[in-house]
Amino acid sequence: GQQLNQSPQSMFIQEGEDVSMNCTSSSIFNTWLWYKQEPGEGPVLLIALYKAGELTSNGRLTAQFGITRKDSFLNISASIPSDVGIYFCAGRSISGGSNYKLTFGKGTLLTVNP
Amino acid sequence: DAGVIQSPRHEVTEMGQEVTLRCKPISGHDYLFWYRQTMMRGLELLIYFNNNVPIDDSGMPEDRFSAKMPNASFSTLKIQPSEPRDSAVYFCASSPDVGGYTFGSGTRLTVV
Repeated sequence: GQQLNQSPQSMFIQEGEDVSMNCTSSSIFNTWLWYKQEPGEGPVLLIALYKAGELTSNGRLTAQFGITRKDSFLNISASIPSDVGIYFCAGRSISGGSNYKLTFGKGTLLTVNP
Repeated sequence: DAGVIQSPRHEVTEMGQEVTLRCKPISGHDYLFWYRQTMMRGLELLIYFNNNVPIDDSGMPEDRFSAKMPNASFSTLKIQPSEPRDSAVYFCASSPDVGGYTFGSGTRLTVV
């Protein structure tokens, strides 16, 4: 089945630093999504990408849909303590019958030291 | 908009007991998804519905798991009988179309 490799698994950074994480897939995707999950809550959608090469920002967050359609990255600039959480990538493949299924990466745990 | 509402937030039950998890999707969302989250396996899709009809249940672990959606505003995930390995956080999510899902806050299930 489809697999998403998300890296790094965890990051420990100082407040103010920039952060970068990425996902690669074994399949071509037509949608990439980035979610953030805080303790005790469900994942919350941060950014959605629908076109190869697309670069989208949401405040200090920037995400890109890779040209090969098999990868995506998320950058966070000038991190702050409230950025702490688990960040998930998710993708939707163009193959297969269930077009509405999302495949999720294993997540990147981000810790920000004030 | 109250978002996706799940109940209960926490459930502790003994092995062998029946467990029912509940979900109210966002009004107007045609798709409803049930996910299970564990440290080892991450987020796994169990089943999803479109317009109350189950479309893909290939992620349901075994016959002990069943899900229903009797109407557009309510869905249940039932485990009978429950086992310790079913302990996880179960999320319900809904979506209007091929965009991103909106997740509920989850039900943390502990089977002892």
